[in-house]
Amino acid sequence: AQKITQTQPGMFVQEKEAVTLDCTYDTSDPSYGLFWYKQPSSGEMIFLIYQGSYDQQNATEGRYSLNFQKARKSANLVISASQLGDSAMYFCAMREPGAAGNKLTFGGGTRVLVKP
Amino acid sequence: GAGVSQSPRYKVAKRGQDVALRCDPISGHVSLFWYQQALGQGPEFLTYFQNEAQLDKSGLPSDRFFAERPEGSVSTLKIQRTQQEDSAVYLCASSLGGGTGYYNEQFFGPGTRLTVL
Repeated sequence: AQKITQTQPGMFVQEKEAVTLDCTYDTSDPSYGLFWYKQPSSGEMIFLIYQGSYDQQNATEGRYSLNFQKARKSANLVISASQLGDSAMYFCAMREPGAAGNKLTFGGGTRVLVKP
Repeated sequence: GAGVSQSPRYKVAKRGQDVALRCDPISGHVSLFWYQQALGQGPEFLTYFQNEAQLDKSGLPSDRFFAERPEGSVSTLKIQRTQQEDSAVYLCASSLGGGTGYYNEQFFGPGTRLTVL
């Protein structure tokens, strides 16, 4: 069963506009962590933002914010004021509850293309 | 540099060849992970080390895959008798802490792209 689901395989967004990337997850453990990574065409995984299951407030990091809806088990990433350099694959990931070393389970990713 | 490094960046192997992929984690990082990323998909967990101990190898797809971290720093992922389905990007990640701490950010290397002909 999919633990992390990203339903949008690809998205276009106009430069300077905001874009929301969907992520839903599945776990019965009350303690977990959610991550978003960016992967440009060069291949490296760049950490963007983290949300802990017990965090009271939605995480924010610069132009990135996480819309965390715990009851719906969703953790959508919002990128504000899109830039051309935001064109990349974006992956949502979950730290598996209780997993040794906090291994990550990734979704299938969403490709974002920012248009000038 | 101060990041995770991997070598080689690209590897082409003939079917049946053995390959060895190297990962240099960030100095002092306790945890080291290997992930496999097939084309167009998200990374999938292969194995995890805490220092030199391999604590989780549940993601290794077959007994042709073997990983080691003998001195608790550099790690090598070895694939014996490579098959075409082994073609993928192999990502290494390290994190400072070990165990099941509340938050341990993983820092990823650039990956090794393996192509098996």
